[in-house]
Amino acid sequence: EAGVAQSPRYKIIEKRQSVAFWCNPISGHATLYWYQQILGQGPKLLIQFQNNGVVDDSQLPKDRFSAERLKGVDSTLKIQPAKLEDSAVYLCASSLTRSHDEQFFGPGTRLTVL
Amino acid sequence: GQQLNQSPQSMFIQEGEDVSMNCTSSSIFNTWLWYKQDPGEGPVLLIALYKAGELTSNGRLTAQFGITRKDSFLNISASIPSDVGIYFCAGREGNEKLTFGTGTRLTIIP
Repeated sequence: EAGVAQSPRYKIIEKRQSVAFWCNPISGHATLYWYQQILGQGPKLLIQFQNNGVVDDSQLPKDRFSAERLKGVDSTLKIQPAKLEDSAVYLCASSLTRSHDEQFFGPGTRLTVL
Repeated sequence: GQQLNQSPQSMFIQEGEDVSMNCTSSSIFNTWLWYKQDPGEGPVLLIALYKAGELTSNGRLTAQFGITRKDSFLNISASIPSDVGIYFCAGREGNEKLTFGTGTRLTIIP
């Protein structure tokens, strides 16, 4: 069974530029999560999708971050414009349903904002 | 957002030693999870706990759900080199989102 795929693995941009990350969850997983992991900290949930609907985006900085999962499968997370403090690893995870505790994580995208 | 406090922040041990780490919260949780993260990878679930006082093992790993529901513990027996990594606890209250701890970095000294 293929795992959660993410691309790119690394991205370096300058502040005020835009960036987008892509995630393809495990086939059949209805729930998809985007987390932000700042160096030295645990992952923090940014947004959770159930199929193509948003379940929780309470911690998403909506003035600059956006995410979509139009067909209920893969998802993109965008930052526009980026700030220095956005430097982090962006992890995508998926689970069978909302009630399943086992979230399978992708390898993450490491973003550096200069 | 809230993060759970993990202790210790880092550990340096010799191969074969036992390891203990814990996680505390100001909130009550009804689910505790323990994850391990290797460099350049996402976290992987090790153990899930659903009941206060529950003690669950997964090979050399044993985790406990604290009686107060505000803490959890993870023990690793007879550590081996592949145990190196960062261990995260995570808690959930009801159907709320997972809240992750600050992590414990485990290093094995040759």
